[in-house]
Amino acid sequence: GEDVEQSLFLSVREGDSSVINCTYTDSSSTYLYWYKQEPGAGLQLLTYIFSNMDMKQDQRLTVLLNKKDKHLSLRIADTQTGDSAIYFCAEFPPGSARQLTFGSGTQLTVLP
Amino acid sequence: EPEVTQTPSHQVTQMGQEVILRCVPISNHLYFYWYRQILGQKVEFLVSFYNNEISEKSEIFDDQFSVERPDGSNFTLKIRSTKLEDSAMYFCASTGSYSNQPQHFGDGTRLSIL
Repeated sequence: GEDVEQSLFLSVREGDSSVINCTYTDSSSTYLYWYKQEPGAGLQLLTYIFSNMDMKQDQRLTVLLNKKDKHLSLRIADTQTGDSAIYFCAEFPPGSARQLTFGSGTQLTVLP
Repeated sequence: EPEVTQTPSHQVTQMGQEVILRCVPISNHLYFYWYRQILGQKVEFLVSFYNNEISEKSEIFDDQFSVERPDGSNFTLKIRSTKLEDSAMYFCASTGSYSNQPQHFGDGTRLSIL
């Protein structure tokens, strides 16, 4: 089955690190993605990780993948007020379906 | 950086009317998608399109929905007879030569059915 779960809300202080967590159930997923949605805007691709990787770092973003526990996390270092948005994880299972399955999104609020 | 563009940004339509949502995917992309997001809910897959035909569609994508690539640049979603529950944000996405490449999304069209 395909179900992606995220906690709904996260608040952090400016300058702290944020960790947004995601669990997925399709162990055969090949790619996992993080998208950012600012108010009234579309889905901006932040980063993605292939399932044979444990970690991927891209500037302030670090993605960790634990395939055994089907757990994905996005860490944002030195969180800024401009990082306030909804963050979606999404999985792309293999096979004929070419559809992303999204989590419900985590609303990140960065407090001054 | 190339981007997916969608028009209009907001569409208000009377229930029962037809509506066409337009998208211009990234120019060298081959796979095209529509998703929708009802307010406060998850982003849901509607349909994927490749080589001028539908590749996959979800249960949401019933006979009221259709997609078309009328020329080399546009990709449209038509809803024949809109219902109140069609009110949502509709996102177009595209991806390159391989369908497992990251999908790039437009800013969406907010569809409001009255």
